Amino acid sequence: QKEVEQNSGPLSVPEGAIASLNCTYSDRVSQSFFWYRQYSGKSPELIMSIYSNGDKEDGRFTAQLNKASQYVSLLIRDSQPSDSATYLCAVNKDQGAQKLVFGQGTRLTINP
Amino acid sequence: GAVVSQHPSRVICKSGTSVKIECRSLDFQATTMFWYRQFPKQSLMLMATSNEGSKATYEQGVEKDKFLINHASLTLSTLTVTSAHPEDSSFYICSAAQLLGFFETQYFGPGTRLLVL
Repeated sequence: QKEVEQNSGPLSVPEGAIASLNCTYSDRVSQSFFWYRQYSGKSPELIMSIYSNGDKEDGRFTAQLNKASQYVSLLIRDSQPSDSATYLCAVNKDQGAQKLVFGQGTRLTINP
Repeated sequence: GAVVSQHPSRVICKSGTSVKIECRSLDFQATTMFWYRQFPKQSLMLMATSNEGSKATYEQGVEKDKFLINHASLTLSTLTVTSAHPEDSSFYICSAAQLLGFFETQYFGPGTRLLVL
């Protein structure tokens, strides 16, 4: 079992709809969780971080964390073509600067 | 805030030469910096973890004598690819960790695309 699992996609969503990206992790002691967006040929860009159970909203993005189910998700409301990218889920087992464990990424395409 | 730069953004070199890549955290002091490599259509692969003033910790399978890392200050880490060969051609990305509250967050540089001829 991979430490961090994501559906590789591609996930196609019509413009204006809600895109839902999911991620599960295996290590129950994981402390912090991140979503990065990576456009083709570019480096990852931090979208959201979440540390506590529940929802965290930032603009059109909402991260959801359920530690009991070892599940973290990212919702993108009012999806735009510019949201088309690969979304990487990353998990940190510790508060400190330990290495992140990345999922393989979900490729999202927003169709106009 | 939390801006990380890398230089150069792109480099082409001949086989056998060495290439140095710089990673700087511009507006914060990074406790730790990380070096990744990414091949086309693949995920990020962590190469090494770098702390200021100490030796880097390399991931399994990464040759420390080939990929030299120097972490001179809390804002600068360098990766030198020694005696580069065509198979070293890749996208090299650094990240810098910033302490926010109780948790560290990694911010990525824009990456360096290396082509070895």
